[in-house]
Amino acid sequence: DAGVTQSPTHLIKTRGQQVTLRCSPISGHKSVSWYQQVLGQGPQFIFQYYEKEERGRGNFPDRFSARQFPNYSSELNVNALLLGDSALYLCASTSTDFLYGYTFGSGTRLTVV
Amino acid sequence: RKEVEQDPGPFNVPEGATVAFNCTYSNSASQSFFWYRQDCRKEPKLLMSVYSSGNEDGRFTAQLNRASQYISLLIRDSKLSDSATYLCVVNDFNAFSPRGGADGLTFGKGTHLIIQP
Repeated sequence: DAGVTQSPTHLIKTRGQQVTLRCSPISGHKSVSWYQQVLGQGPQFIFQYYEKEERGRGNFPDRFSARQFPNYSSELNVNALLLGDSALYLCASTSTDFLYGYTFGSGTRLTVV
Repeated sequence: RKEVEQDPGPFNVPEGATVAFNCTYSNSASQSFFWYRQDCRKEPKLLMSVYSSGNEDGRFTAQLNRASQYISLLIRDSKLSDSATYLCVVNDFNAFSPRGGADGLTFGKGTHLIIQP
């Protein structure tokens, strides 16, 4: 079975541009969440979606948005990119019970220049 | 603000030794607890869940103390392959939030472990 898949794996953008990151959860998982990890820090929670509805949002500006599709895949959009948005963006999926562990994809490494 | 605090290390430990990691969390309403392992430039991988009764998986033992808001991980007979960053993680699921859902995982900054031959 495929795990959590993310695309693209690497991306270079310039300041002010917009970016879309994609994630497909483990088959049967209906919840997807997004995290940002900058070098030397633990991942920071951005969004959680379940059954196509936003169920949680972290402390990130409105430039960050996301959505979940009927097939439970998800997109994370970031507008007006800043240098500080350079990070590893991780997607995680979990079963319907949020209390259990989350499985992460290998991430998208975004560099903003 | 919800926080998870860990000693960043690095912990330099000889192969075969026992090593212990600790972390504390600030949100007394936190629901579930985990240790994740992260290798350099890779994604975090679930090592084990942590229960109040304590749980063991081979050389790894995890413990939760809800009263002290303290989580521990013990690694016995350490191997070179145990070298990694260990992340203490708390799940702040909030059944009473307006959306009735998840507040996401809160990660510590991680403890860097180096096993030396």
